[in-house]
Amino acid sequence: DTAVSQTPKYLVTQMGNDKSIKCEQNLGHDTMYWYKQDSKKFLKIMFSYNNKELIINETVPNRFSPKSPDKAHLNLHINSLELGDSAVYFCASSFNSDRYGYTFGSGTRLTVV
Amino acid sequence: AQKITQTQPGMFVQEKEAVTLDCTYDTSDPSYGLFWYKQPSSGEMIFLIYQGSYDQQNATEGRYSLNFQKARKSANLVISASQLGDSAMYFCAMMAYNNNDMRFGAGTRLTVKP
Repeated sequence: DTAVSQTPKYLVTQMGNDKSIKCEQNLGHDTMYWYKQDSKKFLKIMFSYNNKELIINETVPNRFSPKSPDKAHLNLHINSLELGDSAVYFCASSFNSDRYGYTFGSGTRLTVV
Repeated sequence: AQKITQTQPGMFVQEKEAVTLDCTYDTSDPSYGLFWYKQPSSGEMIFLIYQGSYDQQNATEGRYSLNFQKARKSANLVISASQLGDSAMYFCAMMAYNNNDMRFGAGTRLTVKP
């Protein structure tokens, strides 16, 4: 059973479209995150949700909107996609102050053409 | 705010030798955790090792050990007896426990030569 699953794994779409990436974790973790990894492999946190509440909201364009229907799910919706949004997006989850850090999903490679 | 620095963009090591990947951090939080992750070419993020800021002993996990020097704010990863499968990107990360916010360094690409 996959602990943190993201769908889709690959997403190719045209500029201006709206798309969503889904994330689900079955670990019972209470905090979930979205990270963006750019072409230079730099990992930057975007959002963090704890028990469906937004905790961290980094400087991210408001075209990106996270949605957490329950603590096992954190979806990322992106409006009006731009070329610069092309990246790998990782979902992760953890318990609070977890010494094992985060469990990551396998990533979603988004390509905007 | 936390800052993580990995000064080695790329490293090479001969198979079966040991290698040290550098990581320094900066934080004003007294309670934090330090982590290393491996990202092979397949893209997944694999947790390797953890060190707590109050841990007295350096963490070890199999061939991985973390050389933690709190006063210097460094948390270097040592991989012993390198294997070809160790070739990957390695990320150092720090999480301050007052906000559960994990920040990553820029990564080091390790290549193991046969």
